[in-house]
Amino acid sequence: EAGVAQSPRYKIIEKRQSVAFWCNPISGHATLYWYQQILGQGPKLLIQFQNNGVVDDSQLPKDRFSAERLKGVDSTLKIQPAKLEDSAVYLCASSLDHSGIAKNIQYFGAGTRLSVL
Amino acid sequence: AQSVTQLGSHVSVSEGALVLLRCNYSSSVPPYLFWYVQYPNQGLQLLLKYTSAATLVKGINGFEAEFKKSETSFHLTKPSAHMSDAAEYFCAVSEDYGGSQGNLIFGKGTKLSVKP
Repeated sequence: EAGVAQSPRYKIIEKRQSVAFWCNPISGHATLYWYQQILGQGPKLLIQFQNNGVVDDSQLPKDRFSAERLKGVDSTLKIQPAKLEDSAVYLCASSLDHSGIAKNIQYFGAGTRLSVL
Repeated sequence: AQSVTQLGSHVSVSEGALVLLRCNYSSSVPPYLFWYVQYPNQGLQLLLKYTSAATLVKGINGFEAEFKKSETSFHLTKPSAHMSDAAEYFCAVSEDYGGSQGNLIFGKGTKLSVKP
């Protein structure tokens, strides 16, 4: 079974530029998550999708961050404009569904490491 | 509000020694608890999870964790460390709202080093 795919793996941009990350979840997984992992910290949830609808985006800085999941499969996370403090690893995860304990098992991609200069 | 505290940002053990990584949680409802491992430049991989069944949970790679409600702890252990265990370990909590899933809240992580 293929895992969660993310691209690019690395990205370096200057502040005020825009950047986009792509995620392809495990086939059949209805729920998709984007996390931000700042160096020295645990992952922090930015947004959660159930199919193509947003379940939770309470911690997404909506003035600069946006995300979409068209057709309930792939997802894109965008930052515009980027700030220095956005330097982090952006992790995508997916899980099967909301029924039973399987709902709580999230499978993570390798992440995109963003450096904002 | 739920939270996770991992004691010790860095733990160093000798190969063959006991591994003990500490995790304490705060939750107002029965929690689900998880340990994830992250190898350099990779995503997080689930080691084990507690889901209100057995309090002693066995995971992959010889790791296990014990849920202690009275101590609000979920410490991760392995009897004998291997060089390949060197990685960063994250404890996470998710709340069960009677079947409705809560989000994962992660601790800050503990980096495990294994000396030859």
